[in-house]
Amino acid sequence: QQQVKQSPQSLIVQKGGISIINCAYENTAFDYFPWYQQFPGKGPALLIAIRPDVSEKKEGRFTISFNKSAKQFSLHIMDSQPGDSATYFCAASMDGANSKLTFGKGITLSVRP
Amino acid sequence: DVKVTQSSRYLVKRTGEKVFLECVQDMDHENMFWYRQDPGLGLRLIYFSYDVKMKEKGDIPEGYSVSREKKERFSLILESASTNQTSMYLCASSSGGSGANVLTFGAGSRLTVL
Repeated sequence: QQQVKQSPQSLIVQKGGISIINCAYENTAFDYFPWYQQFPGKGPALLIAIRPDVSEKKEGRFTISFNKSAKQFSLHIMDSQPGDSATYFCAASMDGANSKLTFGKGITLSVRP
Repeated sequence: DVKVTQSSRYLVKRTGEKVFLECVQDMDHENMFWYRQDPGLGLRLIYFSYDVKMKEKGDIPEGYSVSREKKERFSLILESASTNQTSMYLCASSSGGSGANVLTFGAGSRLTVL
């Protein structure tokens, strides 16, 4: 049973456009929701994260929107750039010292020049 | 700059061989993890460790074991490699307490089993 589901599976966006990646989770005990970014040949790196006490978090061109009732959260990349082309993973976990992240399957974003 | 180092970036092994994947972190992190990354399957947790000499099974531990004799080092062992273990292996670490969910990943070890 997949606890964290990402959509779409791949995404192609023109430079300057908005990239939107969605994630749905099943476990209502989850209370930490990060997005990781992975470039080819590199390991994933934390991009931005949110906790359910807020509905939105923005860092530069990257925004997480969180909908607790729908059990969904999404990553928005404004003014997408070719350098944003990467694989993006959403994840979820319960808070706490010994919790562990459950990752989605990942989505490949290509930003065309 | 904090680092998780995986000593082997590319390995080619034969079926039945014993394989060691080594991971070292220099951040004095309590927690260490081994993930496997396959196209279309995302990141799947193999084993993790919250302390020295301590290990816990993740979601796909079959065919793998781990060793954590020192805080900074976490090894993944394939006792008898099989072709279905051809994959990218990612090591990660995190601090304890409130930082436990913030993972720092290594660059990965790509293993091919022939």
